[in-house]
Amino acid sequence: NAGVIQTPRHKVTGKGQEATLWCEPISGHSAVFWYRQTIVQGLEFLTYFRNQAPIDDSGMPKERFSAQMPNQSHSTLKIQSTQPQDSAVYLCASSLGDSNERLFFGHGTKLSVL
Amino acid sequence: AQKVTQTQTSISVMEKTTVTMDCVYETQDSSYFLFWYKQTASGEIVFLIRQDSYKKENATVGHYSLNFQKPKSSIGLIITATQIEDSAVYFCAMREGPSGSWQLIFGSGTQLTVMP
Repeated sequence: NAGVIQTPRHKVTGKGQEATLWCEPISGHSAVFWYRQTIVQGLEFLTYFRNQAPIDDSGMPKERFSAQMPNQSHSTLKIQSTQPQDSAVYLCASSLGDSNERLFFGHGTKLSVL
Repeated sequence: AQKVTQTQTSISVMEKTTVTMDCVYETQDSSYFLFWYKQTASGEIVFLIRQDSYKKENATVGHYSLNFQKPKSSIGLIITATQIEDSAVYFCAMREGPSGSWQLIFGSGTQLTVMP
């Protein structure tokens, strides 16, 4: 079991460019979560999927951010027209299909917007 | 709205001693789940222990235990016989019960340093 896999580990983009972050959840896990971590804001919930369906995106900035889960083996977080304030570590996590289950986190993608 | 508060920014202890980290939470739900996670220096976040709100017994896993005081909306993490490798940032987190969102709300974290 390789755990939750996130690629790339580091991404540097210029202001205004698009960034796509990838996540491969643990096989058999039915829930996938996206979080963002910064020094100032801490760990912020963005969105999550259950059985590939989007369930709660209340943490997603309404503009420029979108997430998809086209199949059970991967999810993507896309940020259009990146801004310096988007710089953060983006974490993906997965869990089994129950509300009390623990999250298994990936190592994150560090996004730097210059 | 749910909220999780960790007021201790950092704690330093000597190796082999016991440390307690505080966490208070706010929720309107009658059923909820409380978690503690640890983030190591490499950035890896790992699950430590969980307390279900309907359980009166404090959860214990290895040298981690919880002090669950429901009337005070408090869930403290106790680490006994601390080791150098316990040095990390510890996050308290809360999730609504089965009928709510599975969104996990995190506290701001407590940096623990264990000294030899």
